[in-house]
Amino acid sequence: DARVTQTPRHKVTEMGQEVTMRCQPILGHNTVFWYRQTMMQGLELLAYFRNRAPLDDSGMPKDRFSAEMPDATLATLKIQPSEPRDSAVYFCASGLTRDGRGHTDTQYFGPGTRLTVL
Amino acid sequence: KQEVTQIPAALSVPEGENLVLNCSFTDSAIYNLQWFRQDPGKGLTSLLLIQSSQREQTSGRLNASLDKSSGRSTLYIAASQPGDSATYLCAVTDSNYQLIWGAGTKLIIKP
Repeated sequence: DARVTQTPRHKVTEMGQEVTMRCQPILGHNTVFWYRQTMMQGLELLAYFRNRAPLDDSGMPKDRFSAEMPDATLATLKIQPSEPRDSAVYFCASGLTRDGRGHTDTQYFGPGTRLTVL
Repeated sequence: KQEVTQIPAALSVPEGENLVLNCSFTDSAIYNLQWFRQDPGKGLTSLLLIQSSQREQTSGRLNASLDKSSGRSTLYIAASQPGDSATYLCAVTDSNYQLIWGAGTKLIIKP
């Protein structure tokens, strides 16, 4: 049963510390998304990759957030330095983009990383 | 700018009832519409995906319809069960291939 996995599931850290969240997409999926969910904003798209290349990170605060895909089996989202307003649940999702126009069908979500910045 | 709205924000019904969740979107130029389920403390599960050329999709007790021209979709749940309690989210893939989300409907099925 293929699933998207995310680590850690929970992270509590102090303001100013670096936070790294990891995601393993479903094998064979070529598109990976990072979302953030808060009560106030709901689900927001932070960044996404196609074939490991970043396509859009306009939803991400550039000064402190960075997203990478070192290889096809690992996506990372890093916050440095972290701030209390970064507290949220961060979801990774993967999917398969079949046509050349960039349309991804069903996205499969991981369980999320619940981040608390004190 | 595409906006997705879900009504109601919360719904509580007795077990066994049929119910309808609503989703509306402002721009009919979409590639598809998806319904997701989110359980507390867990990730999202995709329930149904309707392509822009389709009118409805069915999976078990779930039926989702899509009317692109009016910018509406409904998720119909038949014979509701306590296990259906969750938050249901609607999302459209817009013309920029972005997934635009509604705020969700929190559903409680009372035994």
